[in-house]
Amino acid sequence: AIQMTQSPSSLSASVGDRVTITCRASQGIRNALGWYQQKPGKAPNLLIYAASSLQSGVPSRFSGSGSGTDFTLTISGLHPEDFATYYCLQDYNYPRTFGPGTKVDIK
Amino acid sequence: EVQLVESGGGLVKPGGSLRLSCAASGFIFSSYTLNWVRQAPGKGLEWVSSISSGSTYIYYADSVKGRFTISRDNAKNSLYLQMNSLRVEDTAVYYCARDLVAGIPFDYWGQGTLVTVSS
Repeated sequence: AIQMTQSPSSLSASVGDRVTITCRASQGIRNALGWYQQKPGKAPNLLIYAASSLQSGVPSRFSGSGSGTDFTLTISGLHPEDFATYYCLQDYNYPRTFGPGTKVDIK
Repeated sequence: EVQLVESGGGLVKPGGSLRLSCAASGFIFSSYTLNWVRQAPGKGLEWVSSISSGSTYIYYADSVKGRFTISRDNAKNSLYLQMNSLRVEDTAVYYCARDLVAGIPFDYWGQGTLVTVSS
């Protein structure tokens, strides 16, 4: 199975900060990478698919990049509602695997 | 509006069984791959199983293979997860989630149903 790692595991940031989260796959997955945001007690929400495509309805301050094994999610100017946990997911093959998550909280 | 509503969770003893359901509305159910994803309390997300639109392709995580069975009834717009030989480590919120198309996984999620396995 493809293993997904994320860094950092958590970070503290302020409203307006630019935040970057990294996801790495244990083998090449082309661009088969998604990013999800989850708030406490809620289901996850798809932000980015195919590594860099913004899901409909997601604010443009969210962006994704990368291909192969290394990927990033960038939030260009944190809003109060962005404090949450972020997960990457590889859907290159089965079993689909999530990264362990990155918790973004308020500094 | 796309809606996915899970039901069937509850408290069950180790070794017991439970059947989860996911009722779908707001889209052509029979055209989409569907999935189960779970989240243990305070932990991350874990993909559990996927079933293609016509049930031709079915996949399971190693952690549930041989114990869980995914199925669907396209006439009833419903997805199921039969869980047998339950273990304490199966305790989690179980979500059903839709794939929009290949390459766009989990674009819609249900609210989740809690399964607790405890003696």
